[in-house]
This record gives sequence, C-alpha cells and structure tokens, in this order.
Amino acid sequence: EPEVTQTPSHQVTQMGQEVILRCVPISNHLYFYWYRQILGQKVEFLVSFYNNEISEKSEIFDDQFSVERPDGSNFTLKIRSTKLEDSAMYFCASSEQGSPSNEQYFGPGTRLTVT
Amino acid sequence: GENVEQHPSTLSVQEGDSAVIKCTYSDSASNYFPWYKQELGKRPQLIIDIRSNVGEKKDQRIAVTLNKTAKHFSLHITETQPEDSAVYFCAPSRGGTSYGKLTFGQGTILTVHP
Repeated sequence: EPEVTQTPSHQVTQMGQEVILRCVPISNHLYFYWYRQILGQKVEFLVSFYNNEISEKSEIFDDQFSVERPDGSNFTLKIRSTKLEDSAMYFCASSEQGSPSNEQYFGPGTRLTVT
Repeated sequence: GENVEQHPSTLSVQEGDSAVIKCTYSDSASNYFPWYKQELGKRPQLIIDIRSNVGEKKDQRIAVTLNKTAKHFSLHITETQPEDSAVYFCAPSRGGTSYGKLTFGQGTILTVHP
C-alpha cells in the first residue's frame, strides 16, 4: 500500500538556522498539506498546496515558512531562522481530491528540535 | 475560524466496554467529519469518516454518528481492546475553497485496561 514518506525523521538545529523538511506524497495525489504538532498538543494546520501554489495557510504560516514542489515527487517545507517555539513534530499529508472527499494520508512526521 | 471541541479529554474503560467520544464544531459549512487515531510517537491514522449526507456509518467495532443540526459528531468503539488505547482526534473539514484543511480537536486519551 502506498504511503507518504518524510525525511529526516528527526532534525536538530540551532536557533536562527534554516531547515528544510522533505515529503514524498502518494504518487497520484494532487493535494498536499503540512501540519505541526507541539508535544502533547493537538495537530495544527499550516498550509495546503494544489496546482503548484498555496491554497490556504494558517496564521502560524508566516513569512518564516515557505513550501515548494521542486520536482514531480517531493514537497518541501522550509523554515527560515528557526525559533525555539518551532520545535514540534511536522506532518506532511496528501489527498487524491480536495474537499469534500478529502481523505488525507499522513506521513510518519519529522521531529524538529530547535536548541 | 472553526472552533472544535472534544469531550472527554481522557477516557478510561475496561476491556470489553464501549467508549464514546463527542466532537462539537462551530462551522456550519463543515461537511466532512473524520476521526483519527494516534499512537504514541506515530502519525495520525484515519479510522473512520462520514460525510454530511449520512447520519451514521459503521465499520466493525467502530461507528460514527453525525448530528448536523446540533453540530456534533461522535465516535463509538464497542468491545474495546487494549490495542485501542491511543489519542483520538476529530478533524471536521469544509468544502468550498478550503481545499480540505482539517481542523483538529484537542484529542481524547483513551486507555483500555485489560
């Protein structure tokens, strides 16, 4: 069964550094998402992406964040100048269709630790 | 934006008992209602979902019921087993221009005691 994959599984970075989190969505999916989950808290929506552009973004997704689909398979989240509060688990998700039939499949996540 | 609340925040049951988790939402345009199960350190996994034109859906020991008028939907797990222990999240979503954004509740920690 196809799965969403993410790399790395764990990323440690120093405050102020830039990080790129990578995701490979399921191959026939057209809609891509990033969510984050601070330890012990709920999953929060960051951004959705369709047809090579951002469809929607949350208040969390400010100028520090950017997303890109650099080729036909990868979907990346870049965080510039990381802050301590960016420490969280970041999940990529993909779906075959957008609303309302939007069953989303999540990747295993990247744990980002900012020191 | 959408306001999503789950109750209870923690639920402890004996193996074989039933468990019910309720999710209330505020956005009347929501039309897709999934439940996700998340085990410790792992990804959220979709366990059941329902769309707004259906009132109830069942899949073996798991069921979801929807009350659109009252804006709530519930997860029902019967004959609970220790492997059902996890955090459960509801995540209603709307159609239109949202492109499937899921708004998660705060989660319910379910513990099933053998």
